[in-house]
Amino acid sequence: GAVVSQHPSRVICKSGTSVKIECRSLDFQATTMFWYRQFPKQSLMLMATSNEGSKATYEQGVEKDKFLINHASLTLSTLTVTSAHPEDSSFYICSGDIGNTIYFGEGSWLTVV
Amino acid sequence: SQQGEEDPQALSIQEGENATMNCSYKTSINNLQWYRQNSGRGLVHLILIRSNEREKHSGRLRVTLDTSKKSSSLLITASRAADTASYFCATEVKGGKLIFGQGTELSVKP
Repeated sequence: GAVVSQHPSRVICKSGTSVKIECRSLDFQATTMFWYRQFPKQSLMLMATSNEGSKATYEQGVEKDKFLINHASLTLSTLTVTSAHPEDSSFYICSGDIGNTIYFGEGSWLTVV
Repeated sequence: SQQGEEDPQALSIQEGENATMNCSYKTSINNLQWYRQNSGRGLVHLILIRSNEREKHSGRLRVTLDTSKKSSSLLITASRAADTASYFCATEVKGGKLIFGQGTELSVKP
């Protein structure tokens, strides 16, 4: 079946650096993908909608200059956390949908030290 | 933003007992979905109920939806230790965009 793959599953980066997380739809084309963030012991919060070939749509309170989303192809969306800060440490997870089914990636744990 | 509340926030039961989790939401929906998440892992889709459905079953899972009250419940029957996880409801507001509830942390003791 359709699968969404996320990479890396875990990443540690230093404060002030940038880190990129990839989300790939493996056997379907995703014109739209979604990025969520989850802090420990909390629920998932929608960050942004990634649109292939156009700008992402960010949810209220999410800094678009800090969380750069690129959706340059129908199978790849990337989230870049820029000038990472320890407060950005979180679980990031993406999803894509085909038909009426939503597929989630495995998620990426980001730790900023 | 969160769609609504889930209760209880935490639930601890013995193996074999039933577990009921409730979810409320705020806006109109296309459907409501329930997901499971093991600690530190990704999401597992459990069941989807459409806005025109009232009840749905899948194995040991039973989901109800009351659109007049904007609420849903997930019942897990004959629970097992392996059911220990966090459970989230999520409403699909449009085209794949999900708004998640707060979640219920279920602990099933052997």
